[in-house]
Amino acid sequence: DTAVSQTPKYLVTQMGNDKSIKCEQNLGHDTMYWYKQDSKKFLKIMFSYNNKELIINETVPNRFSPKSPDKAHLNLHINSLELGDSAVYFCASSQGLGPYNEQFFGPGTRLTVL
Amino acid sequence: AQTVTQSQPEMSVQEAETVTLSCTYDTSENNYYLFWYKQPPSRQMILVIRQEAYKQQNATENRFSVNFQKAAKSFSLKISDSQLGDTAMYFCGLSSGSARQLTFGSGTQLTVLP
Repeated sequence: DTAVSQTPKYLVTQMGNDKSIKCEQNLGHDTMYWYKQDSKKFLKIMFSYNNKELIINETVPNRFSPKSPDKAHLNLHINSLELGDSAVYFCASSQGLGPYNEQFFGPGTRLTVL
Repeated sequence: AQTVTQSQPEMSVQEAETVTLSCTYDTSENNYYLFWYKQPPSRQMILVIRQEAYKQQNATENRFSVNFQKAAKSFSLKISDSQLGDTAMYFCGLSSGSARQLTFGSGTQLTVLP
C-alpha cells in the first residue's frame, strides 16, 4: 500500500563506486522528482520528470543520471561517488506539474560515501 | 527566481500550548501556492497545509492554520494544542507556475515538550 517507495533505505559505499537508487509510485501520478537533503536538512530539487520527459535538471553534476523507464518509476544512478554525495535522497511524485499539486514523498534513502 | 526563508532554526513549545512558525517568501508570480510540510524523526515528508495565493481566506486543517499576508509575503504556521507527535522539522514551500518546482525553506525544528 506504500504510495511512493524507494530502495534501498540505506546505502553505504566507497568513494569511486557507482550506485543506483530506485523509486516507484503507485498513485498513477504523471510527475516524479528527486530531491537531495544535506546534513543541515536543506532540501533541494535535483530533477523532475513529467510523463517520462525531463523537465527540471538543476545544477547537479553529470555523475547523477535519472532514468524513467515508465511513468511509475524514476531511478537515480550515481557514478564515481564522492564524499560530498553523502546525503538523504528523496523521491516524490505529484499528479502533474501545476503549482497546486501536493507532492507525495518516499521514505528517503540515506547514502553514506566512505 | 523564487526564494523561501525560515528564520527560526529551532523552536520549542509546551504540550497543549500554541506555537507559530514563521516563513517569508519572494516570487514575481501572481499564481502560486504555499505549503507547509512536516518531517518527523521517521524522515517521511508529510503535507500539513496548503494555501492558494489568490485566496484571501487563511487555510485551516484541524489544529493547523496559517496566517497568509500576501503583501508582506509572509506565510506563518500556527499549531494549536501542540502534541508530542508534532515534534518534527517543518518546511515552508513555494510553488509557482513558471518555476514548475517546489522551493523549500531551510526548515524549523519544532520540539514539543511534555
